[in-house]
Amino acid sequence: QVQLVQSGADVKKPGSSVKVSCKASGGTFSNYTINWVRQAPGQGLEWMGRIIPILGIANYAQNFQGRLTITADKSTSTAYMELSSLRSEDTAVYYCASPKGREPCFDYWGQGTLVTVSS
Amino acid sequence: EIVLTQSPGTLSLSPGERATLSCRASQSVSSSYLAWYQQKPGQAPRLLIYGASSRATGIPDRFSGSGSGTDFTLTISRLEPEDFAVYYCQQYGSPWTFGQGTKVEIK
Repeated sequence: QVQLVQSGADVKKPGSSVKVSCKASGGTFSNYTINWVRQAPGQGLEWMGRIIPILGIANYAQNFQGRLTITADKSTSTAYMELSSLRSEDTAVYYCASPKGREPCFDYWGQGTLVTVSS
Repeated sequence: EIVLTQSPGTLSLSPGERATLSCRASQSVSSSYLAWYQQKPGQAPRLLIYGASSRATGIPDRFSGSGSGTDFTLTISRLEPEDFAVYYCQQYGSPWTFGQGTKVEIK
């Protein structure tokens, strides 16, 4: 059973950057695809991007192009999501999520990380 | 990018009743790459259905999915108290997109 454990809540100033981690256990990290999804307060789910650690290739949703960087450290089985030029609208819970099998939907989810952007 | 529109926004039902949730796509969803998730307050989403109609591991058989192309449906045959939650559809052909959600509330 795969477990995804995320870093803790964070508060950031507008214009700064945030980096959230997602540590995987219970499987072979290189075989995962790690996705990032966010949810603003009271709102729906928004897919941000993903990384395939074995290839080191990341894909990003158009809304985040240029502000989002997703990386992975295979030695620690940890994926990272870094969002820059933060604004108040980026206040949200950020989730990492991963498929289990061939279907690229999200069987496994991290517990979520609340990022608050406030001056 | 495929836009998913869910209806209704809120469904008010009593335990034991049948729930029918709709998800319509702006263009055809390839290979039935359509999933449904349940989310309860303060929790991460949980995968219910993938491939439009296959139940994920451990999901009770009162949950069923159907549809193809642009029209998909999640049916909960008899609502249990723990089923009152928000439900999202997702298409997982790149880029992945979600519907805006349907809240199933107790009437």
